Amino acid sequence: NAGVTQTPKFQVLKTGQSMTLQCAQDMNHNSMYWYRQDPGMGLRLIYYSASEGTTDKGEVPNGYNVSRLNKREFSLRLESAAPSQTSVYFCASSRIVQEAFFGQGTRLTVV
Amino acid sequence: SQQGEEDPQALSIQEGENATMNCSYKTSINNLQWYRQNSGRGLVHLILIRSNEREKHSGRLRVTLDTSKKSSSLLITASRAADTASYFCATDSDPSIAGGTSYGKLTFGQGTILTVHP
Repeated sequence: NAGVTQTPKFQVLKTGQSMTLQCAQDMNHNSMYWYRQDPGMGLRLIYYSASEGTTDKGEVPNGYNVSRLNKREFSLRLESAAPSQTSVYFCASSRIVQEAFFGQGTRLTVV
Repeated sequence: SQQGEEDPQALSIQEGENATMNCSYKTSINNLQWYRQNSGRGLVHLILIRSNEREKHSGRLRVTLDTSKKSSSLLITASRAADTASYFCATDSDPSIAGGTSYGKLTFGQGTILTVHP
């Protein structure tokens, strides 16, 4: 019962470096999402994928790209990290109009 | 922008007491969900209430929804120290408002930090 698995759990980047956050779900969900959570705030949607082969922007997409590699996997890429991208990143999946299942998060610090 | 506004921002109670958290939102919704987040962990789904429902129960949880006031409340009865966590409401927008399909995109409130003292 893995659910939603994110890697890595922690990462420190220097400004301008790139990295990819990986996410995989084993619940056969069509929809997948990337959120970020900043201190004292709720989650904000970065990108989502309604189904395999489709992606679309959420509320805060600038500075990020995503790839829906297959039905299981949805990755988030930071091409040139900035200190403003220091945050905790959560991947989630769901069937439409049902509850979302979240990964444990990736704590990213950009220095 | 945050769809939901929650209050209080922090709540401190004794074990055995009830805890009530409130959530207000701005646009029409398809459903409203409540999640719990333990410190440093991911979010765990608690309960989902659809726009045509007014009240829902799950164990010690009771959720109400008033679409005319665009508000919801989460009541935790007989609280335990293990209930200490942050609680978030999240709305799934009405597809007709969201341009045809919401695809389950959630808009979160800023959360209520609940501390239950043994």
